[in-house]
Amino acid sequence: GAVVSQHPSWVICKSGTSVKIECRSLDFQATTMFWYRQFPKQSLMLMATSNEGSKATYEQGVEKDKFLINHASLTLSTLTVTSAHPEDSSFYICSARVEGGKVNEQFFGPGTRLTVL
Amino acid sequence: EDQVTQSPEALRLQEGESSSLNCSYTVSGLRGLFWYRQDPGKGPEFLFTLYSAGEEKEKERLKATLTKKESFLHITAPKPEDSATYLCAVQSTSGTYKYIFGTGTRLKVLA
Repeated sequence: GAVVSQHPSWVICKSGTSVKIECRSLDFQATTMFWYRQFPKQSLMLMATSNEGSKATYEQGVEKDKFLINHASLTLSTLTVTSAHPEDSSFYICSARVEGGKVNEQFFGPGTRLTVL
Repeated sequence: EDQVTQSPEALRLQEGESSSLNCSYTVSGLRGLFWYRQDPGKGPEFLFTLYSAGEEKEKERLKATLTKKESFLHITAPKPEDSATYLCAVQSTSGTYKYIFGTGTRLKVLA
């Protein structure tokens, strides 16, 4: 299957700082990537759809100025949590869409655990 | 409104005790239904894609089926290593490629 990586796997930061998370598709190109947030024992909540070369599409209730998304190449999307606060602590997961014909599965990265102190 | 409901929320099985997980969905037009497995602290791992009613897919002890209203993930003779959260997601024909996820079923298989 298609491989997606995330970096870092975990990060601890102080309140008020910014944190950047990278999502890479390792063996395929992805014009569309997705960013999710997951709280303990809950399902994945879609935050935004990242499109290569254009602006991201954010879900209702997600602050686009707080969660900056950049999809500068066909294999890399980044999520920057700006001025992080303890309530931003969560598990962030990205996915990349495999394109072509009927096939449009999303393959997920391993996730990034963010803890804001 | 598109919606996905999974049941049960949690399931405990003895090793070898077969069972089924349910995923009920309401969507304007189904492009695909997807099953994933998620282990604690990790990203979801792709299992199956189903496109149309009547379709079935198998992988080892897992078998996924699809009707016009729901999908089942059948687990035959489960082993402790099958313990995980199983997530169901649908993709509609609305023009975007985003998933609508269910809340998942947490499966625990006891040795």
